[in-house]
Amino acid sequence: AQSVTQPDIHITVSEGASLELRCNYSYGATPYLFWYVQSPGQGLQLLLKYFSGDTLVQGIKGFEAEFKRSQSSFNLRKPSVHWSDAAEYFCAVGVISNFGNEKLTFGTGTRLTIIP
Amino acid sequence: NAGVTQTPKFRVLKTGQSMTLLCAQDMNHEYMYWYRQDPGMGLRLIHYSVGEGTTAKGEVPDGYNVSRLKKQNFLLGLESAAPSQTSVYFCASKQAGEFREQYFGPGTRLTVT
Repeated sequence: AQSVTQPDIHITVSEGASLELRCNYSYGATPYLFWYVQSPGQGLQLLLKYFSGDTLVQGIKGFEAEFKRSQSSFNLRKPSVHWSDAAEYFCAVGVISNFGNEKLTFGTGTRLTIIP
Repeated sequence: NAGVTQTPKFRVLKTGQSMTLLCAQDMNHEYMYWYRQDPGMGLRLIHYSVGEGTTAKGEVPDGYNVSRLKKQNFLLGLESAAPSQTSVYFCASKQAGEFREQYFGPGTRLTVT
């Protein structure tokens, strides 16, 4: 079965600094990979996704993520964070089950705090 | 467009009481989902629906029932609430098609005492 690990529960970054959030997955093949963001009191919003092709994917709000097959990782990056980026970030893995159903497995999330 | 809306936003129940959470979407999406979010556990799928009149179990279906009588609505029921069902519940919807984007509602915070 697939699994997702986000090793950092909470990260604090100064405004304007760069950011990298880690995500590792476990799956026998290359899965579909996603990053979602959840602002306080809100539902989740898709930042970006990777299916195949170029391993560096661009998303909304200036975020990007890089798929590294050798490390089973899909880390999220942003060169310069803004106070509005404070939120919880979820990595997710999507696979197709033996019955042809989609299954999306979420990581436990990383809470990002921005300090002035 | 309102997107995905959830009713109510907050609710407190006593053990053994029942309630229904309503999810509505105005995007004509085929697929709808109910998740629960617990601290340190991410989101877990409770039930989902791939179309009007169809439902299926997700990862943690016990203690919940669902119905999709209309395409735009997906109801989640708790027949006899338990403290273990204290959680934040999210509804999501998406178009048919492999791993199209899921659009999430704002959530319902449920406390069972």
